[in-house]
Amino acid sequence: EPEVTQTPSHQVTQMGQEVILRCVPISNHLYFYWYRQILGQKVEFLVSFYNNEISEKSEIFDDQFSVERPDGSNFTLKIRSTKLEDSAMYFCASSTEGSTGELFFGEGSRLTVL
Amino acid sequence: KQEVTQIPAALSVPEGENLVLNCSFTDSAIYNLQWFRQDPGKGLTSLLLIQSSQREQTSGRLNASLDKSSGRSTLYIAASQPGDSATYLCAAINNFNKFYFGSGTKLNVKP
Repeated sequence: EPEVTQTPSHQVTQMGQEVILRCVPISNHLYFYWYRQILGQKVEFLVSFYNNEISEKSEIFDDQFSVERPDGSNFTLKIRSTKLEDSAMYFCASSTEGSTGELFFGEGSRLTVL
Repeated sequence: KQEVTQIPAALSVPEGENLVLNCSFTDSAIYNLQWFRQDPGKGLTSLLLIQSSQREQTSGRLNASLDKSSGRSTLYIAASQPGDSATYLCAAINNFNKFYFGSGTKLNVKP
C-alpha cells in the first residue's frame, strides 16, 4: 500500500542550526502539507503546497521556515535557525485533491532542539 | 477561525463495549471531516473521511457521522478490542485547504 515516508525519524540539533526534514509523498498525490505537533498539544497546520508553490501557510510558518520540492519525489521542510520552541513532531501529509481529498500522513520526524 | 473540540479527552472501557467519540466544530462551512488514529509516538492513520455532502461513512467496526448544521461528528466503535487503544483525532477542513485538528480522545480498552 502506498505511503508517505519521512526522514529522519529523529533529529537532535543545537539551537541556531539549520535543519532539513524530508518527505516522499504518495506518488500520484498533488497536494503536500507539513503539520507539527508539540508534545501534548494539538496537531497544527504549517503549510500547504500545490503546483510548485505555497498555497496556504499559517502564522507559525514565518521567515525561518521554507519548503521545497527539489525533484519529482521529495518534499522538504527547512528551518533556517532553530529555536527551542521548534522542538516538535513534524508530519508530512499528501492528498490527491485539496479541500476534498483524504489526507495521508507520514510517521513523522521528531525534532529536538537543545 | 475554525475551532475543533473533542469530548471526552480520555475514555477507559472494558473490552466488548460499544462506544461513541464526539467531535464538534465551530465553522459549519467545511468540505471534509476526517477521523484519524494516533498510536503513541507514531503518525496519524486515516480511519474515515466524510465529505460535506455525506452524512456517514462506515469501515468495519467503525461508523462516523456528520451533522454540518449542528457542527458535530461522532465516531462509533462497535465491540471494542484492546487493539483499539489509541488516541482518536478528528479534523475539519474548510475552503482554505487546511485541516483543523481537535485535541483527541485517548481511548483505553481493558482486556
